[in-house]
Amino acid sequence: GNSVTQMEGPVTLSEEAFLTINCTYTATGYPSLFWYVQYPGEGLQLLLKATKADDKGSNKGFEATYRKETTSFHLEKGSVQVSDSAVYFCALKKSTGFQKLVFGTGTRLLVSP
Amino acid sequence: AAGVIQSPRHLIKEKRETATLKCYPIPRHDTVYWYQQGPGQDPQFLISFYEKMQSDKGSIPDRFSAQQFSDYHSELNMSSLELGDSALYFCASSFGGGADQPQHFGDGTRLSIL
Repeated sequence: GNSVTQMEGPVTLSEEAFLTINCTYTATGYPSLFWYVQYPGEGLQLLLKATKADDKGSNKGFEATYRKETTSFHLEKGSVQVSDSAVYFCALKKSTGFQKLVFGTGTRLLVSP
Repeated sequence: AAGVIQSPRHLIKEKRETATLKCYPIPRHDTVYWYQQGPGQDPQFLISFYEKMQSDKGSIPDRFSAQQFSDYHSELNMSSLELGDSALYFCASSFGGGADQPQHFGDGTRLSIL
């Protein structure tokens, strides 16, 4: 079946450090890939998406590239801020039909001043 | 921009009671999804609707039912509540279910069962 594997957290960084959160997936066909962010007490916000191989999604300084050869969609940011502290979820959606999102287990990011 | 509206934001019930959660999708969105998120867990898909018809079904207990109305809002009805139903319930909406259509989430309803 379809699944998403994320690196375990928490990831603890100092402000302005480089961020990588690893995400790999297993799926049949060509799924669409997403990163969502969840701040404490809030819902999930779409951060970025990519719908086909080699697409790069980017938003608010975050980016991720759809790598079909390595079935990966790693999230990166060049310089994190304290306000980036949140839980990040990688998710996939099959390419056909009204498909549900399949989420990874989430990675908590803690950024200190 | 208008977002997905869920009500209530918090709900406290006792075992064996019933609960109804409501979801109002983003205007012009015709597809609604329901997810359940336990403490420290990832969201798990429950059920979805497109144009008022059920489009997919996940791990939704038989005690739960849902529907989408003519104005596209959706309601999740939960009966015979159990302690294990305590969770955050999210609704998401999209325009169609295509792969390139992202799902936009509401802030959720936190359900606590005493």
